[in-house]
Amino acid sequence: GESVGLHLPTLSVQEGDNSIINCAYSNSASDYFIWYKQESGKGPQFIIDIRSNMDKRQGQRVTVLLNKTVKHLSLQIAATQPGDSAVYFCAENEDSNYKLTFGKGTLLTVNP
Amino acid sequence: GAGVSQSPRYKVTKRGQDVTLRCDPISSHATLYWYQQALGQGPEFLTYFNYEAQPDKSGLPSDRFSAERPEGSISTLTIQRTEQRDSAMYRCASSLVTGSGGETQYFGPGTRLLVL
Repeated sequence: GESVGLHLPTLSVQEGDNSIINCAYSNSASDYFIWYKQESGKGPQFIIDIRSNMDKRQGQRVTVLLNKTVKHLSLQIAATQPGDSAVYFCAENEDSNYKLTFGKGTLLTVNP
Repeated sequence: GAGVSQSPRYKVTKRGQDVTLRCDPISSHATLYWYQQALGQGPEFLTYFNYEAQPDKSGLPSDRFSAERPEGSISTLTIQRTEQRDSAMYRCASSLVTGSGGETQYFGPGTRLLVL
């Protein structure tokens, strides 16, 4: 599979702990944000999204927080499991623009 | 289909050869995107299609790169006269609605290209 651990920010947590992954975005005109999970050897997998008219959105064990004032996005994973180990990317998009711009990934390692 | 599929999964070629990569999007998805992903980086946009139309190919690195989607479903990405710097993972994604932004893009497993 792919080795994606080169020069990536890393987060190591114990199984059962909560994880918080942060992302700073650059385009103040972005109004749609997505978190993707990428496991070794696989393509990015959609986790959760949020639009700019919201500041929080919850899914199953995941919560995304958006702070437009400081252009900051975070992903919270509750009760982290070994299967959550992967690289996590945030991506931003303008509503009138089809391009996704990806941030720098974060490697999450969950220790059993 | 159930998801985005790409072929081949791995391609090794010699410098100067042409390669063609294939993407089969989720059925009924109008929009198809091509990205290039370097190791340890997020995907970078290359080009996209709304059905068979290709409104933007500004992300293609050079005129050696071209893409087609002649019938609005399957797409191919062709790299002519490959160079070693073309070595990367090439990912395809599709979304349901025409590419006006703000729609979830679903990614395929990618084609790993290695140019020797």
